[in-house]
Amino acid sequence: AQTVTQSQPEMSVQEAETVTLSCTYDTSESDYYLFWYKQPPSRQMILVIRQEAYKQQNATENRFSVNFQKAAKSFSLKISDSQLGDAAMYFCAYRGYTGNQFYFGTGTSLTVIP
Amino acid sequence: DTAVSQTPKYLVTQMGNDKSIKCEQNLGHDTMYWYKQDSKKFLKIMFSYNNKELIINETVPNRFSPKSPDKAHLNLHINSLELGDSAVYFCASSQEGGETGGYYNSPLHFGNGTRLTVT
Repeated sequence: AQTVTQSQPEMSVQEAETVTLSCTYDTSESDYYLFWYKQPPSRQMILVIRQEAYKQQNATENRFSVNFQKAAKSFSLKISDSQLGDAAMYFCAYRGYTGNQFYFGTGTSLTVIP
Repeated sequence: DTAVSQTPKYLVTQMGNDKSIKCEQNLGHDTMYWYKQDSKKFLKIMFSYNNKELIINETVPNRFSPKSPDKAHLNLHINSLELGDSAVYFCASSQEGGETGGYYNSPLHFGNGTRLTVT
């Protein structure tokens, strides 16, 4: 089975600053999808951003962007101009091109300091 | 309108009881899932149904039984509840295929979770 590793259990950032959350994965597939989910204290799971492995261009959604390094199997999330509302648990997830299984990392808890 | 809805939001019950959590999605997705999130926030897949057929059945005690009456619903029934069953349970859905036979870039859409507390 594929594995997804988030090596930073906790991170903190000053409001308005930039923070990068890391994620690495292990797979033998050439096509797949990667996602970042945000879970605020309300416990709702919110999709932040997605990336198709066959696309070389890094995905961007407003203040959120990814640095996708396919050869290194790395998929980091950059949050620019951090806001208090960004404080949450962030999960990296992998889905193969075929099949129904999603694989999640163990999460990174992000604190935003006013 | 809520895309994936699960009820109840909170469930407090005593050991040994039987309880059910219901889930419905109105996204037209063909695959539904149950995930368990423990106190350390780890997300673990429990079951997955594709068009009402069980396709993923991880190592879960047989006290947990999923039921999918149609592809828009996936309920979870738990018998003889134990203290260790206390967790947040998430229902989710995704689209795994299309009329062309290809696979869509479909993320998981989650319900808001059910916090189960067993006392």
